[in-house]
Amino acid sequence: SAVISQKPSRDICQRGTSLTIQCQVDSQVTMMFWYRQQPGQSLTLIATANQGSEATYESGFVIDKFPISRPNLTFSTLTVSNMSPEDSSIYLCSVSGTGATYEQYFGPGTRLTVT
Amino acid sequence: GQNIDQPTEMTATEGAIVQINCTYQTSGFNGLFWYQQHAGEAPTFLSYNVLDGLEEKGRFSSFLSRSKGYSYLLLKELQMKDSASYLCAVRGSSNDYKLSFGAGTTVTVRA
Repeated sequence: SAVISQKPSRDICQRGTSLTIQCQVDSQVTMMFWYRQQPGQSLTLIATANQGSEATYESGFVIDKFPISRPNLTFSTLTVSNMSPEDSSIYLCSVSGTGATYEQYFGPGTRLTVT
Repeated sequence: GQNIDQPTEMTATEGAIVQINCTYQTSGFNGLFWYQQHAGEAPTFLSYNVLDGLEEKGRFSSFLSRSKGYSYLLLKELQMKDSASYLCAVRGSSNDYKLSFGAGTTVTVRA
């Protein structure tokens, strides 16, 4: 399985500001995803990060609010823009494995608190 | 759309067996996954089912019935470290590999 790191691990930000979260994988992967996990809730997919093209966003998530970059097959960033307290959440990146099941492996997450 | 249901909480005694049920109604189906998530940590992959039947992996087993839209995760010989949230997730399409997650079942193991 891939080893995934995220930076920062946590941050406290003021409303109206933006935060960029980095996701680094130790091997080249085709599929990378960004999820949000709000307190006490399950994971919600924000978008699929596509290498060399625009990300594919899920319903309820837009590029202006969550711009995503994927410059190569091992790295992606998610920016949370113009933050409000409702954006307080854990943000996780994941990658699909290359085995027959294509299971997803998750990074350790970034815990964001917006005050 | 995707609708995935699982119980919110379950409690069991150390050494016992617990069965976590998951029912799903999705627009497509290309596999069901179970993940374990300890508090404050990332989810970790436990099991995968795409065909009907039982998959066994040590103390954990997972079952799937596609015709019933039903799966369960069976945890045997419970240990205190099994206290965690267990997430059922469905992959609807083989083209995009996206997962839809249920709300998770919090399992508490008591001595």
